[in-house]
Amino acid sequence: GEDVEQSLFLSVREGDSSVINCTYTDSSSTYLYWYKQEPGAGLQLLTYIFSNMDMKQDQRLTVLLNKKDKHLSLRIADTQTGDSAIYFCAEIYHAGNNRKLIWGLGTSLAVNP
Amino acid sequence: DAGVTQSPTHLIKTRGQHVTLRCSPISGHKSVSWYQQVLGQGPQFIFQYYEKEERGRGNFPDRFSARQFPNYSSELNVNALLLGDSALYLCASSLGNEQFFGPGTRLTVL
Repeated sequence: GEDVEQSLFLSVREGDSSVINCTYTDSSSTYLYWYKQEPGAGLQLLTYIFSNMDMKQDQRLTVLLNKKDKHLSLRIADTQTGDSAIYFCAEIYHAGNNRKLIWGLGTSLAVNP
Repeated sequence: DAGVTQSPTHLIKTRGQHVTLRCSPISGHKSVSWYQQVLGQGPQFIFQYYEKEERGRGNFPDRFSARQFPNYSSELNVNALLLGDSALYLCASSLGNEQFFGPGTRLTVL
């Protein structure tokens, strides 16, 4: 089956760290992605991780992958008001020659000054 | 370098009409994917095209069709529009494993 689940809301104080969690079902996923969507805007690729990695760091962003539990997290250090957005987790789902991205519902991050 | 472009940005149609949405991928990208994003939800995969051939299809009715042209641009067509087709339609282009999205076309069906 294809399913990606995320918590829907997260509220943090400016300067704190944010941790957004995601679980997925397709154990054959090779890549897992985090996208950011600001109100009225398209989707911005933030970062992605290959399934043979367990951690990837990119400036303020840290991605952790627990392949055994099919759990992915995105940590944003020193969260700023400009980080307020919806964050989507997505996995690549393989079915024969077809590949498609399966998305979670998104986590709405609110950053309070 | 231009990113993924989509046209039009907004569109209003009435039930039963048809619509054509257009997408130009990033230069050099040969794969284009289409997604539907209903308000408050994540994107749902509609189609993927690579080198003008359909590589994947999501769970959408036959009213939805697409094609890719020799210059890798793509069109998404939706016939017999329903109110439930109101959504943001996103196009993404990719070269490898990263998909880059356009700003989307906001379709409203009245």
